[in-house]
Order: sequence, then structure tokens, then C-alpha cells
Amino acid sequence: KAGVTQTPRYLIKTRGQQVTLSCSPISGHRSVSWYQQTPGQGLQFLFEYFSETQRNKGNFPGRFSGRQFSNSRSEMNVSTLELGDSALYLCASSLEAGGRQFFGPGTRLTVL
Amino acid sequence: KNEVEQSPQNLTAQEGEFITINCSYSVGISALHWLQQHPGGGIVSLFMLSSGKKKHGRLIATINIQEKHSSLHITASHPRDSAVYICAALVGGGSQGNLIFGKGTKLSVKP
Repeated sequence: KAGVTQTPRYLIKTRGQQVTLSCSPISGHRSVSWYQQTPGQGLQFLFEYFSETQRNKGNFPGRFSGRQFSNSRSEMNVSTLELGDSALYLCASSLEAGGRQFFGPGTRLTVL
Repeated sequence: KNEVEQSPQNLTAQEGEFITINCSYSVGISALHWLQQHPGGGIVSLFMLSSGKKKHGRLIATINIQEKHSSLHITASHPRDSAVYICAALVGGGSQGNLIFGKGTKLSVKP
């Protein structure tokens, strides 16, 4: 079974731009969660989607949004990028919400 | 104070040593995850447990719900175990859960 895939793997943007990241979960997994990892803050939860519905959201500004499609693939969007948004963005999928998670390789975003 | 605390922050061991990494949390949880992150960034979920003890190969995870404490043990450590180990508390139940992460323990196992 293929693992969680994320695209793109690396991305460079400038302040003020917007970005969309994509995550394809393991086949059969219906829950997708997104995380941000920075050297200063460590791993932080962004949001979780289950069956196309956002189930929970972390403490991030409204510039961070996401969605999930009927095939469980998920996208995350960040608008009006700031320098502090530079981070590794990880998605993880699980069979059910709150279940054991399987992580993708991450997208490393650099904002200049 | 962070809701999830890990100790130690850094750990250096000699190959073959028994290793313990600790995780304490101050909130009510429905489960606790142990994750392993290698230098390239990839994260692997090692365990998810809500009570007792789980074992997988040389790795053992225990949790004491009353004391709000979990430990990850590595027996007969090997240089390939070198990684950052992160515990994460699942706060809230099931579909409303939110993972809160510890800062991680960087383990280096020397040959």
C-alpha cells in the first residue's frame, strides 16, 4: 500500500503570496491532519479533516485554511504569506479520526 | 508551562545501552502517541496507547494515566535509533481530538 504523499516537497515563495499544499492519504484512510513544524515552536496541530468536514482546528490565524475532497485527498492553503510561515508542513492520515497516524514526508516552505 | 513536557531534551548513548525517554502531560488525554523523526524530516508513528504497555521489537512504551506520565524505552540501542523522539497527547475524544506535541528528545547513539 502506498504511503502518504505530499506535493510539492519544496517550495519557495515571497511575502504576501499565497500557497496551496496537497496531501494524498493512504488508500482507505478518511482522516487527514495537517501540522506545522518550526525550530522554535516544534510541531503544532493545524487542522483535521474527516469525510470532507473539518473536525478540529488548532490555534492558527484564518490565513491558514484547508479542505478535503471526496477521495480523501486534502489541500492546505496559506494566504498572504509571512516570513514566519517558513516551516515544514506535514500531513498525516488515519483510518478514523483520532486513530494512529501515518505521516507524509512533508512540504518544506520557505518564505523570502 | 507546556502541556506536554519531555525529558531529556538531548541524550547521547553508547551502542547497546538501555534508553528511557520520558513524557509528562498536564491535561486529560484520550491517548498518547510516540513518534520518531529522522534527520531528513520523515516522521514515523511508533505507538499510540491509552493504557498499559506496548512492545514492538526493541521498543517499549508505557503509560500511567493516574500519574500522567509515559515512557519510551529502547533496549540494546543501535546507531540507527538516532533520531528525535516526540510524544504527542491526544486531547479530547475521537473525532474532536487535538494533538499537542512535546518538544522532542534528540537521541544520538554512538557505535
